[in-house]
Amino acid sequence: GAGVSQSPSNKVTEKGKDVELRCDPISGHTALYWYRQRLGQGLEFLIYFQGNSAPDKSGLPSDRFSAERTGESVSTLTIQRTQQEDSAVYLCASSSRWAEQETQYFGPGTRLLVL
Amino acid sequence: DQQVKQNSPSLSVQEGRISILNCDYTNSMFDYFLWYKKYPAEGPTFLISISSIKDKNEDGRFTVFLNKSAKHLSLHIVPSQPGDSAVYFCAANTGGFKTIFGAGTRLFVKA
Repeated sequence: GAGVSQSPSNKVTEKGKDVELRCDPISGHTALYWYRQRLGQGLEFLIYFQGNSAPDKSGLPSDRFSAERTGESVSTLTIQRTQQEDSAVYLCASSSRWAEQETQYFGPGTRLLVL
Repeated sequence: DQQVKQNSPSLSVQEGRISILNCDYTNSMFDYFLWYKKYPAEGPTFLISISSIKDKNEDGRFTVFLNKSAKHLSLHIVPSQPGDSAVYFCAANTGGFKTIFGAGTRLFVKA
């Protein structure tokens, strides 16, 4: 595909369950970001992958959150033992490190609702 | 530590008038500044950017101004149109490192 895709588009889960969110970046983009946007709030940085460098995990809110990316391909964000405050839209973005401004291209997001 | 700040959560403007969205930053190492626009239920999309070596960049109805000494940038939309109603995010990066986003400003353009 031409753009960033995310799946699922919507996810409803029960408190305490684990969820896995997937992001397919634009082919060739070395950088990949995960953000969270709670209702009525701004973009909250979660984690950043750049090529084969160690990821910047400084935004992950707790050890229940983890993310993986193999090379420059798909990334998965896993939330273990979900809590109601995890309900948000989870956005993925990718960019090319060779683009001067590192413009990010966002996916449509995964809307997570924890009951 | 908010390195990029958008202090106005919302702004309301009459159609045809100018919209001015403001952004302040604290990190003097930022090289590039970007504005993204977000409609409900969609991911943000890139709108316009400016390099730290410039003080103005214009693209149609959109102009971004950068004041490095004040660590301040602004996005001007003129004339504003109802379709411009969205959330606007200011962002900054140091080229090759992660981009930092502001909290966003919701713009309402009234017809």
